[in-house]
Amino acid sequence: NAGVTQTPKFQVLKTGQSMTLQCAQDMNHNSMYWYRQDPGMGLRLIYYSASEGTTDKGEVPNGYNVSRLNKREFSLRLESAAPSQTSVYFCASSGSGTSAHNEQFFGPGTRLTVL
Amino acid sequence: SQQGEEDPQALSIQEGENATMNCSYKTSINNLQWYRQNSGRGLVHLILIRSNEREKHSGRLRVTLDTSKKSSSLLITASRAADTASYFCATDTGTASKLTFGTGTRLQVTL
Repeated sequence: NAGVTQTPKFQVLKTGQSMTLQCAQDMNHNSMYWYRQDPGMGLRLIYYSASEGTTDKGEVPNGYNVSRLNKREFSLRLESAAPSQTSVYFCASSGSGTSAHNEQFFGPGTRLTVL
Repeated sequence: SQQGEEDPQALSIQEGENATMNCSYKTSINNLQWYRQNSGRGLVHLILIRSNEREKHSGRLRVTLDTSKKSSSLLITASRAADTASYFCATDTGTASKLTFGTGTRLQVTL
């Protein structure tokens, strides 16, 4: 089992460019999440998908869009990148969606720099 | 906004000593979780404590939860150099299995 995989690992963009960050999990989890982590800070939730076919905004959704392509895959799109979006992006998944067992499993992250 | 705030922000100890880090949060929770992040890596789940539990153990980890004070502590006993990492608390308030993460404690364990 690969767990949660993310591509690419690193990316440099110019202001205004667009890109899609890919995430896939092979644990048959229902819920998937996208976070950003800025230096010296915890993770902030961008968007999440509680189940296949649903997506919802998190704490910092502006400038991003997401697609839950199927149960395995959840992508994050930056339509017009800005320097403020320079960050490390983490994808995560969790199993049942119930509070008793909702530990999250994280991917290795994508380090994005916007010039 | 961050739900959890960890204290201290940074902690440096010697191998073999115990490390204690604290987390305070703002609203009622269903459970609280602790995660570890090694430099440049994703987070790894360590332990989950439910709102009706007061203490939980897992190996060298001991977590306490005081819902009246809205606080939790993570104790790592007999620390090792490999414990060097950032530690985050995360709270589950029961909304669609979302977690809200604290700002983290950076732990440095020296030989």
